Formats: sequence, C-alpha cells, structure tokens
Amino acid sequence: EAQVTQNPRYLITVTGKKLTVTCSQNMNHEYMSWYRQDPGLGLRQIYYSMNVEVTDKGDVPEGYKVSRKEKRNFPLILESPSPNQTSLYFCASSSPHRDPRQAFFGQGTRLTVV
Amino acid sequence: KNEVEQSPQNLTAQEGEFITINCSYSVGISALHWLQQHPGGGIVSLFMLSSGKKKHGRLIATINIQEKHSSLHITASHPRDSAVYICAVRSNQGAQKLVFGQGTRLTINP
Repeated sequence: EAQVTQNPRYLITVTGKKLTVTCSQNMNHEYMSWYRQDPGLGLRQIYYSMNVEVTDKGDVPEGYKVSRKEKRNFPLILESPSPNQTSLYFCASSSPHRDPRQAFFGQGTRLTVV
Repeated sequence: KNEVEQSPQNLTAQEGEFITINCSYSVGISALHWLQQHPGGGIVSLFMLSSGKKKHGRLIATINIQEKHSSLHITASHPRDSAVYICAVRSNQGAQKLVFGQGTRLTINP
C-alpha cells in the first residue's frame, strides 16, 4: 500500500530538548516536504526536498533542520524546541513524473513543547 | 491578501444537499489540489486538477484557469462528508511548492 509514515503521532517535550520526527515513503517519490498547521494560519511549508541531498527552505524554516540522505526518508529535526513550535506537523511526498501527480500526506504528528 | 482564498470558511447543511466550496487564487499554477482533512487530523488528497473537470463518486472538481477559480461539489451529501476541505495550488514558479487555502469546515447534519 502506498503510504507516507510519520512517527511519532503524538509527542510532548520540554523546551530545549532536541527531537526528531521521522517521515518515510514507499512510493519512490522524488519530492518530499514538511508542513505545520496552526489554527487561523492553515498549512505552511517548513522545508522541502527535490531529491536525495537536495533540500531548501519553505516559508517558515526557522528552528528546524532536515536531511535527505535516502530517497525514502525525510526527517524533521528540532535542535532546541520552543513553545512556539507547538503545532500539528505533516510530511508529504509526490513525484513530478507521474500522472496524477497527487500529494500523499502522512498521518500527522501533534507536537507540544512545554 | 492570501494567494489562495476559499469560501465559505464554514458551511453547515442537511444530509442530501448539494454542496459547493470555492477556491480562488492569484498566482500562476501548474496544478490545483483539493484535500480533505478528517476530524482526526489526517489529510487525504481528493483531486489534482490542471484543467477541466474531474469526478470521483459523489465528488466533482472543476477548474477555470483563465478566471483562476476552482470549485469542489459534493452531491447527495452525507454526515460522513463532514470534514475540512482544503484547496492547495502548486505554483509554477517554485519547484513543487504547495500554497494552501485556509480551509472550509463542512458539517452535514442528519
């Protein structure tokens, strides 16, 4: 089954404690991205990756890092989380070479930073 | 002004009614997506459009590139259609970037 898998689904952490949210896709998609969703602000792009070892900033990259060492994985790293990073996070993948070029989303990770 | 505007923001209807959700955008696009977000938070891609019209079951999506407008229609609506519907455009400037509307919260009452 084609899917994007995020872990964990829920996470409560303390300010400053480094954490990683994993994202993996099994569709051999070139393009992967991270979004955060906040009430009243909708979904906003954090980082995206066009392919292995190719990453770039989205609209709200501050406080986040990513890496793309393998095509299937695109982890989101919060080196020193702060309460303003409390949000619902989504990973998504797609391919520019397939028709239909749908976007596949992970189940979401609800992060609370206290 | 947001690059992607949806209307209405909230919509409540009775089971069986015909539903229309609108999306207008101001940027050049290569494609437009309609997404459904369930109450539990998960997001599902319903349609990807670059022109014309697509139909899947009771859902119909249309796009008018000249007018920069898309609509999502639901026929014979059902309480299980209750969700947030999000329009997202794939910009033709940034590589594969998605820009999202604020979403329309749809509630279908039995």
